[in-house]
Amino acid sequence: GAVVSQHPSRVICKSGTSVKIECRSLDFQATTMFWYRQFPKKSLMLMATSNEGSKATYEQGVEKDKFLINHASLTLSTLTVTSAHPEDSSFYICSARQGAIYNEQFFGPGTRLTVL
Amino acid sequence: ILNVEQSPQSLHVQEGDSTNFTCSFPSSNFYALHWYRWETAKSPEALFVMTLNGDEKKKGRISATLNTKEGYSYLYIKGSQPEDSATYLCAFMGGGSNYKLTFGKGTLLTVNP
Repeated sequence: GAVVSQHPSRVICKSGTSVKIECRSLDFQATTMFWYRQFPKKSLMLMATSNEGSKATYEQGVEKDKFLINHASLTLSTLTVTSAHPEDSSFYICSARQGAIYNEQFFGPGTRLTVL
Repeated sequence: ILNVEQSPQSLHVQEGDSTNFTCSFPSSNFYALHWYRWETAKSPEALFVMTLNGDEKKKGRISATLNTKEGYSYLYIKGSQPEDSATYLCAFMGGGSNYKLTFGKGTLLTVNP
């Protein structure tokens, strides 16, 4: 099956610093990539959708200046959490889709971000 | 805000038992229903994508049914094995401008040997 990698798997940073998370589709070209966030005991919440070469579409309530998404190629999308604060501590997970809108999404293993 | 509910939240069964759980979703503007299996420390794995009312899909011992008119899907596991222990997520995709996945909180299945 299709493989999506995500790095780092875990990161601890100081308040005010920026953190970049990479999401790569290893064996297919992802026309669309998604970034989700999960708080404890909550469901995966979509943050933004990105298509290669175009600006990401952010969900309501997600600050685009805080969560910068770049989708420079068909195999790589990055999420940068800028000026991170403790309330940004969460589990972030990406997924990638190839082709049709209803196709399954292939997920990375996620990144646990802790902001001190 | 779309409401996708999964029940039960968690389930403990013995090896060899068959089990099933439910995903409820809006019955209007349906486009697709996804099921994923998520083991701890691993990536969620796609099980099924269901698009047609009455659809039934099967992968090994796992099968799923879909009722779009009443807004529910069942996931069945026959003869559960310890390696089936995982969180099972369903995700609803609505049509129109909202071709995004809305996830339920999942059902955590533990299969005891």
